[in-house]
Amino acid sequence: DTGVSQDPRHKITKRGQNVTFRCDPISEHNRLYWYRQTLGQGPEFLTYFQNEAQLEKSRLLSDRFSAERPKGSFSTLEIQRTEQGDSAMYLCASSSHGSTEAFFGQGTRLTVV
Amino acid sequence: AQSVTQLGSHVSVSEGALVLLRCNYSSSVPPYLFWYVQYPNQGLQLLLKYTSAATLVKGINGFEAEFKKSETSFHLTKPSAHMSDAAEYFCAVSENNQGGKLIFGQGTELSVKP
Repeated sequence: DTGVSQDPRHKITKRGQNVTFRCDPISEHNRLYWYRQTLGQGPEFLTYFQNEAQLEKSRLLSDRFSAERPKGSFSTLEIQRTEQGDSAMYLCASSSHGSTEAFFGQGTRLTVV
Repeated sequence: AQSVTQLGSHVSVSEGALVLLRCNYSSSVPPYLFWYVQYPNQGLQLLLKYTSAATLVKGINGFEAEFKKSETSFHLTKPSAHMSDAAEYFCAVSENNQGGKLIFGQGTELSVKP
């Protein structure tokens, strides 16, 4: 399978705990995007990387959220001190430079109890 | 700022009937527009995209969409619905014409009745 891979697919955590998600993009793609999708809504852009550089962050990305892409390959999204409002599907997508098409992973569904 | 409005959060059609899902956009620059489909607990799959070439765009699974600048619309159609088309559909506009940085509408859930 050469698509975008996300791990884990599901995560249940207690409020206040930290969680980390991983995204492995399509291997030749240098751009990587994170989105959040709450129930009944469309995905909302969080942040994106070109290679290892984080080029843009949405205002939705509070200081409890941090994303990294240390070697320009896989990326991690960490949420510290989770809140119930963080419960959502977290989607990762990747694209190649100059492409108009992004490929999405299957997402990580986070439930904060 | 760019935005997308999908008219109708839920559309129900009979199998074999025409599918029409509406999308209107707002953009200060010529937009790149996309339709994605999402099945339950899955990621998004690209159906089709408009990138300033032909205004009538054909996509996968028999779907097509027409870009109408005068109406700022990009409605999705399929002549004959199939049960397997039941899913959530999202219209999106690309900010800065980057394929991955997208502004999505709220989605339209399509139900197909036998």
